[in-house]
Amino acid sequence: KAGVTQTPRYLIKTRGQQVTLSCSPISGHRSVSWYQQTPGQGLQFLFEYFSETQRNKGNFPGRFSGRQFSNSRSEMNVSTLELGDSALYLCASSHLQGETEAFFGQGTRLTVV
Amino acid sequence: DQQVKQNSPSLSVQEGRISILNCDYTNSMFDYFLWYKKYPAEGPTFLISISSIKDKNEDGRFTVFLNKSAKHLSLHIVPSQPGDSAVYFCAASSPTGTASKLTFGTGTRLQVTL
Repeated sequence: KAGVTQTPRYLIKTRGQQVTLSCSPISGHRSVSWYQQTPGQGLQFLFEYFSETQRNKGNFPGRFSGRQFSNSRSEMNVSTLELGDSALYLCASSHLQGETEAFFGQGTRLTVV
Repeated sequence: DQQVKQNSPSLSVQEGRISILNCDYTNSMFDYFLWYKKYPAEGPTFLISISSIKDKNEDGRFTVFLNKSAKHLSLHIVPSQPGDSAVYFCAASSPTGTASKLTFGTGTRLQVTL
């Protein structure tokens, strides 16, 4: 069974540009969550999508957005990139049935220069 | 406001000994807790979880203890092995039934020495 797949693995962008990251969840998983990891801040929850609807949102500015498609694949977009957006962006998928853990992808390392 | 805290940024333990990683939380609505292990350049890997209706859960060398009154949980690794060297994250969620919005601690880097 394939795990969570995130593309691309590495990305370098310039300040002011926008970026789109992609996440394919584990087959059968309908929930996709996104997290940002920066040194010293741990993992910060960005948002969660279930059945193409955003269900939860973390405390991030409106420049961060996402969507989910009918096949549960998800994308997140960051517009008007800032240097502080440099981070590891992690996607996690889960069943959302009972008490279950979330399975993470390897992440996309975004560097903003 | 850090709702999940891991106050020890690092821990060094000898191979074969017990590793104890601690985690405190402030939000009494949390009712499901998880531990993840993370190697550099990889996503976190789920280790073990515990529901708030339990006070202990064991899986091989890993045991998680939950003290609800103290809002404290700990992960015990016995015996510790060099391959356990990684960053360990404590995470919490609510309500029961969804692990999709996790609140993470800042992590503890465990180094298991020979």
